[in-house]
Amino acid sequence: NAGVTQTPKFRILKIGQSMTLQCTQDMNHNYMYWYRQDPGMGLKLIYYSVGAGITDKGEVPNGYNVSRSTTEDFPLRLELAAPSQTSVYFCASRPQRANTGELFFGEGSRLTVL
Amino acid sequence: TQLLEQSPQFLSIQEGENLTVYCNSSSVFSSLQWYRQEPGEGPVLLVTVVTGGEVKKLKRLTFQFGDARKDSSLHITAAQPGDTGLYLCAGPTTQSGGSYIPTFGRGTSLIVHP
Repeated sequence: NAGVTQTPKFRILKIGQSMTLQCTQDMNHNYMYWYRQDPGMGLKLIYYSVGAGITDKGEVPNGYNVSRSTTEDFPLRLELAAPSQTSVYFCASRPQRANTGELFFGEGSRLTVL
Repeated sequence: TQLLEQSPQFLSIQEGENLTVYCNSSSVFSSLQWYRQEPGEGPVLLVTVVTGGEVKKLKRLTFQFGDARKDSSLHITAAQPGDTGLYLCAGPTTQSGGSYIPTFGRGTSLIVHP
Protein backbone atom coordinates (compact mmCIF):
# COMPACT_ATOMS: atom_id res chain seq x y z
CA ASN A 1 0.00 0.00 0.00
CA ALA A 2 1.96 3.03 -1.26
CA GLY A 3 -0.63 5.75 -0.50
CA VAL A 4 0.97 9.21 -0.80
CA THR A 5 4.67 9.22 -1.70
CA GLN A 6 6.90 12.28 -1.38
CA THR A 7 10.44 12.76 -2.63
CA PRO A 8 13.00 13.79 -1.57
CA LYS A 9 12.75 13.25 2.19
CA PHE A 10 15.57 15.70 2.90
CA ARG A 11 17.16 18.47 0.89
CA ILE A 12 19.51 21.37 1.53
CA LEU A 13 19.36 24.32 -0.86
CA LYS A 14 21.35 27.47 -1.23
CA ILE A 15 19.55 30.81 -1.39
CA GLY A 16 18.31 31.46 -4.92
CA GLN A 17 18.36 27.83 -6.04
CA SER A 18 15.27 26.13 -7.45
CA MET A 19 13.85 22.69 -6.84
CA THR A 20 10.73 20.58 -7.15
CA LEU A 21 9.19 18.48 -4.41
CA GLN A 22 7.48 15.47 -5.90
CA CYS A 23 4.19 14.02 -4.68
CA THR A 24 2.32 11.06 -6.12
CA GLN A 25 -0.69 9.10 -4.87
CA ASP A 26 -2.08 5.78 -6.04
CA MET A 27 -5.55 6.01 -4.47
CA ASN A 28 -7.22 7.81 -7.40
CA HIS A 29 -8.03 10.77 -5.14
CA ASN A 30 -9.24 13.94 -6.81
CA TYR A 31 -8.19 16.38 -4.11
CA MET A 32 -4.54 17.02 -3.36
CA TYR A 33 -2.87 19.54 -1.04
CA TRP A 34 0.51 20.94 -0.14
CA TYR A 35 1.06 22.10 3.45
CA ARG A 36 4.10 23.43 5.22
CA GLN A 37 4.70 22.79 8.91
CA ASP A 38 6.81 25.04 11.08
CA PRO A 39 7.41 24.40 14.82
CA GLY A 40 4.40 25.40 16.91
CA MET A 41 2.49 26.69 13.88
CA GLY A 42 0.47 23.70 12.78
CA LEU A 43 -0.06 23.08 9.07
CA LYS A 44 -0.41 25.97 6.65
CA LEU A 45 -1.94 25.36 3.22
CA ILE A 46 0.25 26.40 0.27
CA TYR A 47 -1.71 25.19 -2.78
CA TYR A 48 -4.43 22.70 -3.49
CA SER A 49 -6.01 20.97 -6.45
CA VAL A 50 -9.52 19.59 -6.94
CA GLY A 51 -8.58 17.55 -9.99
CA ALA A 52 -6.25 17.26 -12.95
CA GLY A 53 -5.71 20.64 -14.60
CA ILE A 54 -7.14 22.65 -11.69
CA THR A 55 -5.06 24.31 -8.98
CA ASP A 56 -5.68 27.12 -6.51
CA LYS A 57 -3.81 29.13 -3.91
CA GLY A 58 -4.00 28.42 -0.23
CA GLU A 59 -3.03 30.55 2.74
CA VAL A 60 0.73 30.90 2.02
CA PRO A 61 1.35 30.53 -1.76
CA ASN A 62 4.07 33.17 -2.28
CA GLY A 63 7.33 31.72 -3.56
CA TYR A 64 5.75 28.46 -4.74
CA ASN A 65 4.13 27.06 -7.84
CA VAL A 66 2.25 23.85 -8.58
CA SER A 67 0.89 21.89 -11.50
CA ARG A 68 -1.56 19.00 -11.79
CA SER A 69 -1.24 17.34 -15.17
CA THR A 70 -2.45 13.94 -13.93
CA THR A 71 -4.66 12.69 -11.10
CA GLU A 72 -1.68 10.96 -9.50
CA ASP A 73 0.96 13.72 -9.42
CA PHE A 74 1.06 17.12 -7.73
CA PRO A 75 4.60 18.58 -7.71
CA LEU A 76 5.50 21.72 -5.74
CA ARG A 77 8.13 24.01 -7.21
CA LEU A 78 10.27 26.55 -5.38
CA GLU A 79 11.73 28.97 -7.91
CA LEU A 80 14.10 31.14 -5.85
CA ALA A 81 14.68 29.51 -2.50
CA ALA A 82 14.75 31.79 0.54
CA PRO A 83 15.60 31.00 4.19
CA SER A 84 11.92 31.62 5.07
CA GLN A 85 11.10 28.51 3.05
CA THR A 86 13.00 26.28 5.45
CA SER A 87 10.26 23.97 6.66
CA VAL A 88 8.78 20.50 6.50
CA TYR A 89 6.46 20.09 3.54
CA PHE A 90 3.57 17.64 3.49
CA CYS A 91 1.54 16.49 0.54
CA ALA A 92 -1.93 15.10 1.23
CA SER A 93 -4.88 13.75 -0.70
CA ARG A 94 -8.52 12.88 -0.11
CA PRO A 95 -11.28 11.30 -2.14
CA GLN A 96 -13.96 13.59 -3.53
CA ARG A 97 -16.74 11.79 -1.67
CA ALA A 98 -15.21 12.63 1.74
CA ASN A 99 -16.65 16.07 2.40
CA THR A 100 -15.67 15.58 6.03
CA GLY A 101 -12.17 16.52 4.93
CA GLU A 102 -10.22 13.45 5.98
CA LEU A 103 -6.72 13.55 4.55
CA PHE A 104 -4.06 10.98 3.75
CA PHE A 105 -0.56 12.38 4.22
CA GLY A 106 2.85 11.58 2.85
CA GLU A 107 5.84 11.26 5.18
CA GLY A 108 7.04 14.78 4.49
CA SER A 109 10.01 16.50 2.85
CA ARG A 110 12.36 18.43 5.11
CA LEU A 111 13.88 21.40 3.29
CA THR A 112 16.65 23.63 4.60
CA VAL A 113 17.64 26.81 2.76
CA LEU A 114 21.04 28.23 3.69
CA THR B 1 -6.03 34.62 14.27
CA GLN B 2 -6.29 30.85 14.33
CA LEU B 3 -9.65 29.46 13.28
CA LEU B 4 -9.04 26.45 15.51
CA GLU B 5 -7.37 27.04 18.88
CA GLN B 6 -5.79 24.06 20.59
CA SER B 7 -4.79 23.87 24.24
CA PRO B 8 -2.55 23.19 25.92
CA GLN B 9 0.27 23.68 23.45
CA PHE B 10 2.59 21.34 25.37
CA LEU B 11 1.90 18.54 27.83
CA SER B 12 4.48 16.40 29.64
CA ILE B 13 3.09 13.67 31.89
CA GLN B 14 3.99 10.36 33.51
CA GLU B 15 2.79 7.01 32.25
CA GLY B 16 -0.59 6.11 33.72
CA GLU B 17 -1.90 9.67 34.05
CA ASN B 18 -5.07 10.91 32.38
CA LEU B 19 -5.20 13.99 30.19
CA THR B 20 -7.54 16.09 28.09
CA VAL B 21 -6.69 18.34 25.16
CA TYR B 22 -9.04 20.85 23.63
CA CYS B 23 -9.87 22.25 20.22
CA ASN B 24 -12.00 25.40 20.21
CA SER B 25 -13.42 27.74 17.60
CA SER B 26 -15.90 30.58 17.31
CA SER B 27 -17.11 29.02 14.05
CA VAL B 28 -19.45 26.10 13.50
CA PHE B 29 -17.93 23.10 11.73
CA SER B 30 -19.74 20.37 9.84
CA SER B 31 -17.17 17.94 11.24
CA LEU B 32 -13.85 17.89 13.07
CA GLN B 33 -10.98 15.51 12.65
CA TRP B 34 -8.25 14.51 15.11
CA TYR B 35 -4.86 13.45 13.80
CA ARG B 36 -1.75 12.16 15.57
CA GLN B 37 1.68 12.90 14.17
CA GLU B 38 4.80 11.07 15.31
CA PRO B 39 8.27 12.58 14.82
CA GLY B 40 9.48 12.33 11.22
CA GLU B 41 6.11 11.21 9.88
CA GLY B 42 2.95 12.69 8.44
CA PRO B 43 -0.25 13.09 10.46
CA VAL B 44 -2.50 10.06 10.65
CA LEU B 45 -6.24 10.34 11.10
CA LEU B 46 -7.57 9.09 14.44
CA VAL B 47 -11.23 9.97 14.23
CA THR B 48 -13.87 12.18 12.63
CA VAL B 49 -16.78 13.57 14.66
CA VAL B 50 -19.81 14.80 12.78
CA THR B 51 -22.84 15.14 15.07
CA GLY B 52 -23.10 17.72 17.85
CA GLY B 53 -22.64 15.99 21.23
CA GLU B 54 -21.14 12.92 19.60
CA VAL B 55 -18.73 10.78 21.63
CA LYS B 56 -16.37 8.31 19.98
CA LYS B 57 -13.98 5.92 21.67
CA LEU B 58 -10.79 4.47 20.26
CA LYS B 59 -9.34 2.14 22.93
CA ARG B 60 -8.10 4.54 25.66
CA LEU B 61 -8.92 7.67 23.62
CA THR B 62 -12.31 9.37 23.94
CA PHE B 63 -13.31 12.11 21.51
CA GLN B 64 -16.22 14.47 22.01
CA PHE B 65 -17.80 17.00 19.66
CA GLY B 66 -19.47 19.97 21.33
CA ASP B 67 -23.24 20.32 21.14
CA ALA B 68 -22.88 23.49 19.05
CA ARG B 69 -20.20 21.90 16.83
CA LYS B 70 -17.70 24.65 17.69
CA ASP B 71 -15.35 22.63 19.87
CA SER B 72 -13.99 19.18 20.52
CA SER B 73 -11.96 17.41 23.16
CA LEU B 74 -9.69 14.40 23.28
CA HIS B 75 -9.33 12.52 26.57
CA ILE B 76 -6.65 9.87 27.05
CA THR B 77 -6.99 7.44 29.94
CA ALA B 78 -3.89 5.88 31.49
CA ALA B 79 -1.47 7.42 29.01
CA GLN B 80 1.37 5.28 27.68
CA PRO B 81 4.71 6.27 26.11
CA GLY B 82 3.31 5.15 22.76
CA ASP B 83 0.79 8.01 22.97
CA THR B 84 3.63 10.50 22.60
CA GLY B 85 3.16 12.74 19.58
CA LEU B 86 1.59 15.88 18.18
CA TYR B 87 -2.21 15.89 18.27
CA LEU B 88 -3.85 18.05 15.64
CA CYS B 89 -7.46 18.96 15.20
CA ALA B 90 -8.78 19.99 11.80
CA GLY B 91 -12.03 21.11 10.29
CA PRO B 92 -13.24 21.78 6.75
CA THR B 93 -13.69 25.38 5.67
CA THR B 94 -15.35 26.31 2.40
CA GLN B 95 -13.54 28.35 -0.21
CA SER B 96 -15.31 30.78 -2.52
CA GLY B 97 -15.49 28.14 -5.25
CA GLY B 98 -17.18 25.67 -2.94
CA SER B 99 -14.10 23.55 -2.28
CA TYR B 100 -13.66 22.10 1.20
CA ILE B 101 -10.26 23.00 2.63
CA PRO B 102 -9.08 21.20 5.76
CA THR B 103 -7.83 23.82 8.25
CA PHE B 104 -5.61 22.80 11.14
CA GLY B 105 -5.02 23.99 14.66
CA ARG B 106 -1.45 24.44 15.90
CA GLY B 107 -1.49 21.16 17.77
CA THR B 108 -0.81 19.84 21.25
CA SER B 109 2.60 18.23 21.72
CA LEU B 110 2.30 15.35 24.21
CA ILE B 111 5.20 13.56 25.88
CA VAL B 112 4.47 10.58 28.08
CA HIS B 113 7.40 9.55 30.27
CA PRO B 114 7.83 5.90 31.30
